[in-house]
Amino acid sequence: DTAVSQTPKYLVTQMGNDKSIKCEQNLGHDTMYWYKQDSKKFLKIMFSYNNKELIINETVPNRFSPKSPDKAHLNLHINSLELGDSAVYFCASSQDSLRGTRGGYTFGSGTRLTVV
Amino acid sequence: QQQVKQSPQSLIVQKGGISIINCAYENTAFDYFPWYQQFPGKGPALLIAIRPDVSEKKEGRFTISFNKSAKQFSLHIMDSQPGDSATYFCAASTVSGTYKYIFGTGTRLKVLA
Repeated sequence: DTAVSQTPKYLVTQMGNDKSIKCEQNLGHDTMYWYKQDSKKFLKIMFSYNNKELIINETVPNRFSPKSPDKAHLNLHINSLELGDSAVYFCASSQDSLRGTRGGYTFGSGTRLTVV
Repeated sequence: QQQVKQSPQSLIVQKGGISIINCAYENTAFDYFPWYQQFPGKGPALLIAIRPDVSEKKEGRFTISFNKSAKQFSLHIMDSQPGDSATYFCAASTVSGTYKYIFGTGTRLKVLA
């Protein structure tokens, strides 16, 4: 049983296309995240949802739109893809709550997006 | 002030040796410092974490040393093995309504057989 699963694992698409990445966690965690890892391996947070509510929205182009239909799912839709969007996108979840419990992240295995 | 600086960028260690990776931070509000291990093609996985009320935490061959006054923390891998070859990330977060981790830039460790 995969704890945090992302689909697809690889995505190759042309500039200007719109694409989505899906993420599901079966850990019962309250919080989910999208991170972007660039070619230098740098991990940068993009979004975070807690129980379907957006709680972190970093400086990300508005071509990126997250959507959380329920607390087990967090999808990422990207419009008008650009070459610079090529990266590995990681979904993660945690049992953090805004009342103070703390745990580590569980990451998915990533989606490698290549824009050509 | 939100940065976490990690060094070295890459590290080569002989099997059985000690691998040491260092991180430094500025924001004194950080109160949780995890280390993550990432193998090629996989997502990062939590390895060990520490809070600033202790100076050291050990789990098996992995030890975090924490120096609150210097705002530095480090990961020590004792008896390094080829299977430890991976990229290691330190991170820091703060309880301020959200649990955003700020990650270091990563250290690529290679342990030679």
